[in-house]
Amino acid sequence: DAGVTQSPTHLIKTRGQQVTLRCSPKSGHDTVSWYQQALGQGPQFIFQYYEEEERQRGNFPDRFSGHQFPNYSSELNVNALLLGDSALYLCASSLVFGQGARGNTIYFGEGSWLTVV
Amino acid sequence: DQQVKQNSPSLSVQEGRISILNCDYTNSMFDYFLWYKKYPAEGPTFLISISSIKDKNEDGRFTVFLNKSAKHLSLHIVPSQPGDSAVYFCAASEAGTYKYIFGTGTRLKVLA
Repeated sequence: DAGVTQSPTHLIKTRGQQVTLRCSPKSGHDTVSWYQQALGQGPQFIFQYYEEEERQRGNFPDRFSGHQFPNYSSELNVNALLLGDSALYLCASSLVFGQGARGNTIYFGEGSWLTVV
Repeated sequence: DQQVKQNSPSLSVQEGRISILNCDYTNSMFDYFLWYKKYPAEGPTFLISISSIKDKNEDGRFTVFLNKSAKHLSLHIVPSQPGDSAVYFCAASEAGTYKYIFGTGTRLKVLA
């Protein structure tokens, strides 16, 4: 049973560039969330995708956007990169909320380490 | 405003003894809580969860206690093993939302 897989594992970008990170959810999961974890901090919620739509968004600017595909995989795009965007980007998958399944556990991938120079 | 707080950045425990990691929250609407363990260069690994309708949940060596009146939860690891050395995060979710709010983590070191 494949867990959550993310790519690439590490990447270095220059300020102002754009980056795309990819995620395949755990087998059987249909919901994907993205989190940003800065050094010494806990993960912070970016947004969640379900049925190919953004269902909820955290306090991140519009430079952060995403997409979910029909096979439930997802991409996170960040435009106009800033030095402060350097962080570990975590994808988490789960079964759908809001259908009597309150409190679904989310399962994380290994993350993508982004360094902006 | 940090809604989920882990006030102890680090904790050292002797192998075989009990490890107690604490987490406080401010939002009374939180109704589901999770604990994760994270090793360096890896993603967080789910450990145990608890719903607000319970005050205790146990899974092997791991037990989570929830005190709703105090807005406090704790993770007990008994007995502690060197392989438990990692950073532990607590996370909380509010009914009607889809996001988890994480604490800043506690680094546990189990000494052999």
